[in-house]
Amino acid sequence: NAGVTQTPKFRILKIGQSMTLQCTQDMNHNYMYWYRQDPGMGLKLIYYSVGAGITDKGEVPNGYNVSRSTTEDFPLRLELAAPSQTSVYFCASIKGLNYGYTFGSGTRLTVV
Amino acid sequence: DAKTTQPNSMESNEEEPVHLPCNHSTISGTDYIHWYRQLPSQGPEYVIHGLTSNVNNRMASLAIAEDRKSSTLILHRATLRDAAVYYCILANTGNQFYFGTGTSLTVIP
Repeated sequence: NAGVTQTPKFRILKIGQSMTLQCTQDMNHNYMYWYRQDPGMGLKLIYYSVGAGITDKGEVPNGYNVSRSTTEDFPLRLELAAPSQTSVYFCASIKGLNYGYTFGSGTRLTVV
Repeated sequence: DAKTTQPNSMESNEEEPVHLPCNHSTISGTDYIHWYRQLPSQGPEYVIHGLTSNVNNRMASLAIAEDRKSSTLILHRATLRDAAVYYCILANTGNQFYFGTGTSLTVIP
């Protein structure tokens, strides 16, 4: 069981560039989440999805977009990268409220 | 959003029990209490969760106050590998999970 897989692990972007962070889970979980973690801080919820075709905003959605066309995949899109988006991004999935999260290993993004 | 309050940091001696507190005074009746830990340069790792009753697993125990406004994560014998940031979060029926800044646990050999 691979769990939650995130790619890439590291990326450097120039200001204004765009990119997609990939997240795939093979556990058939309906619920998926994107968090960002700035240095020395806790995790902030960006977007989440409760099933294919359904997404909703979290605490810090500005500058990001998501889609959920399949149960397995939940990509996060950055359209116009800004230095404030330098962070570590974590994807997670959960079977339901009475189950624990499974996190991916993260994507470390630097915008210069 | 459901908020939790934890001490910024705690220390424990190796091989001794550790009690990590969490306050969640605005918890609703259907919120689950989850605990996660994050080792340096890694993603968070699930530790334990509960609703009303105390819970035990191979990693830890979770003690939930009768009014559910606080909980305590208990590590029975701290090891150096338990040094991490521990997060207490509430899983609400809106399917949103909010992390605070957590408690940084230092284990002293």
